Amino acid sequence: SQKIEQNSEALNIQEGKTATLTCNYTNYSPAYLQWYRQDPGRGPVFLLLIRENEKEKRKERLKVTFDTTLKQSLFHITASQPADSATYLCAPLRLESYNTDKLIFGTGTRLQVFP
Amino acid sequence: GAGVSQSPRYKVAKRGQDVALRCDPISGHVSLFWYQQALGQGPEFLTYFQNEAQLDKSGLPSDRFFAERPEGSVSTLKIQRTQQEDSAVYLCASSGYRGREQYFGPGTRLTVT
Repeated sequence: SQKIEQNSEALNIQEGKTATLTCNYTNYSPAYLQWYRQDPGRGPVFLLLIRENEKEKRKERLKVTFDTTLKQSLFHITASQPADSATYLCAPLRLESYNTDKLIFGTGTRLQVFP
Repeated sequence: GAGVSQSPRYKVAKRGQDVALRCDPISGHVSLFWYQQALGQGPEFLTYFQNEAQLDKSGLPSDRFFAERPEGSVSTLKIQRTQQEDSAVYLCASSGYRGREQYFGPGTRLTVT
């Protein structure tokens, strides 16, 4: 069955440093991979989408890479700030023939940025 | 514009009771999804609608769970004869295009006592 693994332990870093979160997947080949941010008591919020033919995608302080050979995506936040503290979820997506866009999420990695 | 809204935000049900959870998606969004999120876990897919058609219900855990979207906009997730293991946050999401980002509501936290 499809499996997505993210760092289960919280990632604690100092303000100003770069945070790197990992997403590994097995048993399928996604066409896209999405990253979401989730704050306590709230629904996930979309951050970035990267396609299988894209190696890297950037948006402001965020950068995502997608290595289909390693079956891995890395999510980077540069110049991290305490406001970046949240849980980050990855969701590889394969457009199935039966027409569903369901997302299969990893367990998420909790990021804590200390001042 | 308004995002995805869900009601109620919190629901406490006694074991065996039926509950109904409502989702108002973003206007014009064709796709609507329901997910279940347990504490400390990522959301898990329950069911998917394209307009009023329920195209995928592979994630519904039992026949006690039922979802509908009769007019292709508002959706209701119904859980019959609730059990303690149904306690979770139920998230609704909508999307305007296939393969694109999903917009999530704040969720309904269901506690079954």
